[in-house]
Amino acid sequence: EIVLTQSPATLSLSPGERATLSCRASQRVSGYLAWYQQKPGQAPRLLIHEASNRATGTPARFRGSGSGTDFTLTISSLEPEDFAVYYCQLRGNWPPFGGGTKVEIK
Amino acid sequence: QVQLVESGGGLVRPGGSLRLSCRASGFIFDDYYMSWIRQAPGKGLEWLSYISGNGATIYYADSVKGRFTISRDNVRNSLFLQMNSLRAEDTAVYYCARDLWPSTVTYFEHWGQGTLVAVSS
Repeated sequence: EIVLTQSPATLSLSPGERATLSCRASQRVSGYLAWYQQKPGQAPRLLIHEASNRATGTPARFRGSGSGTDFTLTISSLEPEDFAVYYCQLRGNWPPFGGGTKVEIK
Repeated sequence: QVQLVESGGGLVRPGGSLRLSCRASGFIFDDYYMSWIRQAPGKGLEWLSYISGNGATIYYADSVKGRFTISRDNVRNSLFLQMNSLRAEDTAVYYCARDLWPSTVTYFEHWGQGTLVAVSS
């Protein structure tokens, strides 16, 4: 069982700032990692898959990167609609999801 | 377009049962693995179970194994979750989700709106 640890738990930033979210695996994994965004009262939305591929409709300001045990979701310049909770997910692992990072308005 | 619509949630007493449904449209249903994922109030995501397109491959999380049963009806384009012996800790929003690609279980591209299950006496 591979455990995904997301950090920080909460990120307080202002619109226009850069957000850097981390997802660390407890052992080396292939790049089969996804990122989801969830807003209050809504279902999660797939943003990134295979560590760096943007899903359909994901804006270019979202970038996924990483390999081995360390993966990163970068939002280059936060828009008001980007304040949400973000989860990483490892394909083929159980449990698959990290604990989430909340990006809140500073 | 792809649509997933859950139903069947509600308030149930501990030890009781509930059957959730997820009606799918906009894609070839039996081409895709389908999953149930839940989220307890204020908590993260928990993947409960998945089922292959033909129903032959099924997996359950330990937390629900032996109590929950996933099934599908490919004629009616519907996914089900039979939940027995419900506990307070099963209180959550339950989502059905469709995989990104056909014939495999990888990532969850499409989600329903969720249905709330509350277990309380």
